[in-house]
Amino acid sequence: GAVVSQHPSRVICKSGTSVKIECRSLDFQATTMFWYRQFPKQSLMLMATSNEGSKATYEQGVEKDKFLINHASLTLSTLTVTSAHPEDSSFYICSARDLLFRAGGIDEQYFGPGTRLTVT
Amino acid sequence: LAKTTQPISMDSYEGQEVNITCSHNNIATNDYITWYQQFPSQGPRFIIQGYKTKVTNEVASLFIPADRKSSTLSLPRVSLSDTAVYYCLVGRTGGFKTIFGAGTRLFVKA
Repeated sequence: GAVVSQHPSRVICKSGTSVKIECRSLDFQATTMFWYRQFPKQSLMLMATSNEGSKATYEQGVEKDKFLINHASLTLSTLTVTSAHPEDSSFYICSARDLLFRAGGIDEQYFGPGTRLTVT
Repeated sequence: LAKTTQPISMDSYEGQEVNITCSHNNIATNDYITWYQQFPSQGPRFIIQGYKTKVTNEVASLFIPADRKSSTLSLPRVSLSDTAVYYCLVGRTGGFKTIFGAGTRLFVKA
């Protein structure tokens, strides 16, 4: 099946620094990727939709200047947490849909393994 | 986007069949129903997807009544490794965003 990778899997940074998380679709192309964050014992919260070659679409309440998303190619989207603070500590997960999905077939989101961010 | 409602948690024993029902009263004509499984500190994993009636794969079955306002994920003969959170998602296919509900935390006991 299709594979989505994330790097790094775990990162610890100091308050005030920026952290970049990469999301790659390894064996398929994705014009659309999604970024989620998940706090302990809670559900996934959609942060933004990342569109290849255009600006990301952010969900209400998500600061676009704090969470910078770049979708530079059909296989790579990055999320940069700028000026990170302890409250940004969370589990960040990306997902992608296959560009070649055909109507009538199964349309599943392929999720990355997640990135655990800890801001000290 | 259609809102989904699931039981917060369920307990079961190994070898039993588990049925998790999801309510989605506002499902739209173009919406599909998809279920995902998530283990702690991992990304969700696709289980099954359907539009109407019954869908079965090697892992689970999905039952959808004619009015499509609910759906039931059926896991046959669960094992300890099926302990996870199960999410029901409703939305259009083809790249549209989907919103996760609270999910159902299934705990399988020996």
